Amino acid sequence: SYVLTQPPSVSVAPGKTASITCGGNDIGTKSVHWYQQKPGQAPLLVIYYDSDRPSGIPERFSGSNSENTATLTISRVEAGDEADYYCQLWDSGSDLSWVFGGGTKLTVL
Amino acid sequence: QVTLRESGPALVKPTQTLTLTCTFSGFSLTTSGMCVSWIRQPPGKALEWLARIDWDDDEYYSTSLRTRLTISKDTSKNQVVLTMTSMDPVDTATYYCARDRGTSMGLDYWGQGTLVTVSS
Repeated sequence: SYVLTQPPSVSVAPGKTASITCGGNDIGTKSVHWYQQKPGQAPLLVIYYDSDRPSGIPERFSGSNSENTATLTISRVEAGDEADYYCQLWDSGSDLSWVFGGGTKLTVL
Repeated sequence: QVTLRESGPALVKPTQTLTLTCTFSGFSLTTSGMCVSWIRQPPGKALEWLARIDWDDDEYYSTSLRTRLTISKDTSKNQVVLTMTSMDPVDTATYYCARDRGTSMGLDYWGQGTLVTVSS
């Protein structure tokens, strides 16, 4: 089955840029989605189709996807961005299933 | 607006079958391209996708849990039901349902989740 690899944690100072990676075999050929989850809340879709933002998501959130790594970038990080972030894609191989990464805890210093 | 709400027992005993209902509004599972997925999250752990049902009745299941899961829909009631057999304490988790827009759009609306504890 397809495996998505995320760093367990990323730390960033307020106002700086945070980059959260999601590694997978030829992930650049697939559509990757990103979710933000704050404590006690349901996940929130922040990026879909590699780099598109749903309505209401700030422009500070952006995404890219190439070769074996997809990246979520958060510019001008705010304290309110502190959360867990998950990448996701549809495994269209033999399993036909959604796959989530292990999640990355973003800490705003 | 789109809303989803999970309902079901908060506590189940080991070996029992869990039945969860997702009641939604703001969209229809008879509309082409609409799907509903179930996802769970053990306390302090990552998200795990469980199952999906599509507008055209296609069903998809987690490979590791396929033998224990059944997903179904009642379009007249705007509900999706997930059953999981042979519950074990390791199945203790918050269970979410979400509107699933497919490969290119992801899970765009989620319910608030329901915590299910498996204990004797």
